[in-house]
Amino acid sequence: EPEVTQTPSHQVTQMGQEVILRCVPISNHLYFYWYRQILGQKVEFLVSFYNNEISEKSEIFDDQFSVERPDGSNFTLKIRSTKLEDSAMYFCASSGKGGSAQHFGDGTRLSIL
Amino acid sequence: GNSVTQMEGPVTLSEEAFLTINCTYTATGYPSLFWYVQYPGEGLQLLLKATKADDKGSNKGFEATYRKETTSFHLEKGSVQVSDSAVYFCALSDRTGGFKTIFGAGTRLFVKA
Repeated sequence: EPEVTQTPSHQVTQMGQEVILRCVPISNHLYFYWYRQILGQKVEFLVSFYNNEISEKSEIFDDQFSVERPDGSNFTLKIRSTKLEDSAMYFCASSGKGGSAQHFGDGTRLSIL
Repeated sequence: GNSVTQMEGPVTLSEEAFLTINCTYTATGYPSLFWYVQYPGEGLQLLLKATKADDKGSNKGFEATYRKETTSFHLEKGSVQVSDSAVYFCALSDRTGGFKTIFGAGTRLFVKA
């Protein structure tokens, strides 16, 4: 069964550094998402992406965050200048059409020191 | 805005006991409803879904029925196993907000042998 893959599984970064989290969505999917889960807390929506542009973003997704689909297969989340509170598990998800169940990757655990 | 409320955990049961995890939602439109499961150290897996009122989603012995009149989507299983120990998330998605998924806080289930 096709799946969403995320790399790396764990990223450790110094505060203030840039980090790029990578995702390969399921190949025929059209809708892409990033979520985060701070340890022990609920899963929070960050951003949705469709037709090469952001559909919606949450208040968490400020100017430090950006997303890109550079080559038709990868979907990346960039944090420009990381803060301690960015430490979380970041999940990528994709779906074939709007409203259908989203398929999640295994996540990237981001640790900011 | 849309939201999901689910019962707080942890829930501790003995093997073969009956499981209910309550979930209610608030939505302005007609959302699709989901249950996701997160096993220790893993990502989010879709457990079951329902897309319209009175639909019943089922998978691996788990069931949930979309009740529009009570805005609920309670998860049930007749006989739990130790391997069902995980965190269960109720979630919804609809057209408002670019089909983003909104999650409940999660309910941790422990099943004892």
